[in-house]
Amino acid sequence: EVQLVESGGGLVQPGGSLRLSCAASGFTFSSYWMHWVRQPPGKGLVWVSRMNSDGSTTGYADSVKGRFTVSRDNAKNTLYLQMNSLRAEDTAVYYCARDRCSGGSCYYEYWGQGILVTVSS
Amino acid sequence: DIQMTQSPSSLCASVGDRVTITCRASQSISSYLNWYQQKPGKAPKLLIYAASSLQSGVPSRFSGSGSGTDFTLTISSLQPEDFATYYCQQSFDTPRTFGQGTKVEIK
Repeated sequence: EVQLVESGGGLVQPGGSLRLSCAASGFTFSSYWMHWVRQPPGKGLVWVSRMNSDGSTTGYADSVKGRFTVSRDNAKNTLYLQMNSLRAEDTAVYYCARDRCSGGSCYYEYWGQGILVTVSS
Repeated sequence: DIQMTQSPSSLCASVGDRVTITCRASQSISSYLNWYQQKPGKAPKLLIYAASSLQSGVPSRFSGSGSGTDFTLTISSLQPEDFATYYCQQSFDTPRTFGQGTKVEIK
């Protein structure tokens, strides 16, 4: 059974840092691109970041570029999101998601349960 | 960035109703369009990918259609467990943008 479990969220002051983890199991983690998606309270879904299967390629939303860093440890089956210089507008539930591409079309086949990050003084 | 616009933002419907949700892209995205369902406090769940392909395990009352800029998600006969928020998402380009969501509520 595919499982994605996020951890590392919590309350942090503006300007602070936090590192999220997404522990994967039930599939060959090193074969899949992984993404982070966030959802501010009461609002819609927003793509944050992505990493390819071997960790050589990354991508970021403009809103987090230069502040967030995605990484992965394929030996530990874990995806990370290092979040620095946090702002109030980064407050959200953060989801990791496993990407799958079929016939050129890509989609998030599996999602973690989400972890809440609150940026407030 | 490609803008995705859903309509309506919310709707009220009864069990057994046929429900249609529309998603429009700001430019052509071919058939690179996905639909997700989200219930309160839960992660999104994939329903439809590539505009019209039903994800394994998803009931056949859900269907998707469209290509280019205009897409629809149809629920042929609304069931109690279908009351949720639905999001479209394009995977034509990065960032993979989502629509703002359509909340389906009980009439």
